[in-house]
Amino acid sequence: DGGITQSPKYLFRKEGQNVTLSCEQNLNHDAMYWYRQDPGQGLRLIYYSQIVNDFQKGDIAEGYSVSREKKESFPLTVTSAQKNPTAFYLCASSRQGVYGYTFGSGTRLTVV
Amino acid sequence: AQKITQTQPGMFVQEKEAVTLDCTYDTSDQSYGLFWYKQPSSGEMIFLIYQGSYDEQNATEGRYSLNFQKARKSANLVISASQLGDSAMYFCAMSPGETGGFKTIFGAGTRLFVKA
Repeated sequence: DGGITQSPKYLFRKEGQNVTLSCEQNLNHDAMYWYRQDPGQGLRLIYYSQIVNDFQKGDIAEGYSVSREKKESFPLTVTSAQKNPTAFYLCASSRQGVYGYTFGSGTRLTVV
Repeated sequence: AQKITQTQPGMFVQEKEAVTLDCTYDTSDQSYGLFWYKQPSSGEMIFLIYQGSYDEQNATEGRYSLNFQKARKSANLVISASQLGDSAMYFCAMSPGETGGFKTIFGAGTRLFVKA
């Protein structure tokens, strides 16, 4: 079945360490997105990519980095520069002209 | 700037009854898309329904309908015949352009509790 796979489901990181969240899709979607969700809040856009080898900053890109070397993959790196990284991270994808996103099941990152 | 407001942090509904979840939006764009997503406790966001700004008829998808009032900038979700499985967080969202494109923004969500 087609879908988006995020891994790992839970991730613990020590302060000062970089960590990479994986997002893979087999839907042949062109666009991919990373959102952050904090308790009691909606989703906030971190980065998005419309095509391979191209990506744009969203509203809260500081302290994060991404790459899009393959259509299927859009990994997110949470760097040590991110001051408050503990959150739930959701990856999504969409196809041009098709309404709505398909989301992955999320990664819950905790800084310890 | 675009903004989505969901004023109901939590809602209760009796099983088999209908419930309306409120959503108001603010945008200066002429063309935009409005969406509702469901987030169960598992965390995955599930796309429910879409309404384009130029659509004159309210969108419907099974038990879900979107009450679109453009002049009032509201896009309320109506769930008919609530089921226990409808208990979840519900998010209203808006995108520039009608196809749900890039930089979709989300409201803070409404948690729905369905009582047996």
